[in-house]
Order: sequence, then structure tokens, then C-alpha cells
Amino acid sequence: AQSVTQLDSQVPVFEEAPVELRCNYSSSVSVYLFWYVQYPNQGLQLLLKYLSGSTLVKGINGFEAEFNKSQTSFHLRKPSVHISDTAEYFCAVSVRGFKTIFGAGTRLFVKA
Amino acid sequence: DGGITQSPKYLFRKEGQNVTLSCEQNLNHDAMYWYRQDPGQGLRLIYYSQIVNDFQKGDIAEGYSVSREKKESFPLTVTSAQKNPTAFYLCASSIVGLGNTGELFFGEGSRLTVL
Repeated sequence: AQSVTQLDSQVPVFEEAPVELRCNYSSSVSVYLFWYVQYPNQGLQLLLKYLSGSTLVKGINGFEAEFNKSQTSFHLRKPSVHISDTAEYFCAVSVRGFKTIFGAGTRLFVKA
Repeated sequence: DGGITQSPKYLFRKEGQNVTLSCEQNLNHDAMYWYRQDPGQGLRLIYYSQIVNDFQKGDIAEGYSVSREKKESFPLTVTSAQKNPTAFYLCASSIVGLGNTGELFFGEGSRLTVL
């Protein structure tokens, strides 16, 4: 069975500082990996995804993530955050498109 | 614009009442899903459907029911048997078959509060 662990439930950071949101997964087979963002009282929208190929994936809003197979990690990074990045971020995995599993989420607070 | 529409956005109900949450999509996706979101618990799968007139229980189906009479629609009923129904409910859809990566497209959610 697959599982996803988001290592930080909350991450406070000052505006214009870099941020990393950590995600580890467990799976005995190859997986597809995703990061979604959720703004308050809204649905989730896709930030980026890793399917195959280059391990560094670029997404919307200046975010990027690196797939590390040996570490079974898929950490999300942004070099300089804005107040508008305050949201909850979810890491997710799926095995060939079957049953997507979500982590518990990381709340990113960007302070002025 | 293609997307998923959930209604109502906010819903208040008394304990013991059944409520139905609407989910409609015009993305021409075969698969539709209902998730429940509680603070600090991520998203938990309630029911999913990969084809019209067929649906499967997810991880927390007890106290919920669904129907899939049309490709575009997947309503969720929260019954009086659901012990703790106050939550944020999210509907999602995806393609099925070749090209399906597990990427989900979400609606804006429905917040149910039971008084």
C-alpha cells in the first residue's frame, strides 16, 4: 500500500524568504507525484506533477519540486515567497492513475 | 469554461436530517470522486465512480450514499447515520484509461455544518 507523509503541519516564513515543504512517500512500485494548493474555503488546484523524466519539476506561481527516488521524497520549494502564497499545500501520489493518496497537508503562513 | 460545480457552498442542517450535496462537471471525465476534509487529516475518499451507474466505496463510506445516473453528475447524500457530518466536502473528477495519471480536478467545495 502507498502512503504519504508531509513532515511539517505548519510552516511560518517571512515574505521574500525561501521555503521548502517536505513530502516523503512509501510505495513498492513506481508512482506519479503531485503537489496541490488550497486557498481558504476553496478546492484544490494542481501546482505541479512528476510523471517521468527530469527529476526537477517546475510548476505554477514559481514553485518547483524535486523527485528523489532513493530518498522517496518530493519536496516543494520556492526561492522567494509572497503573502499571496499563504495557503495549505498537499502532496499526493498515485500508482498508474489508480487511487490517489493525499498527505495530511502543510499550512504555509507568509508573514510581512 | 470547463470545470466542476459544487452546490451549495455552505449548508446548515439539524442533527438527524439527510442532506444532498450536488456535483456537476462539464470536463467530459468518466471518473468522479467525493472526498471529506477535516483539519489536519488531509483528504479522505468517501465514494468514487468510474462509469455511469456504477460506484465504489472509498475509505470512509459509512453514513454516506451516492448515485451516478449521468456522466456529468455525482450527488452525495450525507445521511443521519453519519456520526460526525460537519466537514468540508470536495468533489473531483479525472479521466480514465490511457493517459490517466491520477491527476484530479476539484470543485470549490461544500461546507456542511450540523447544528
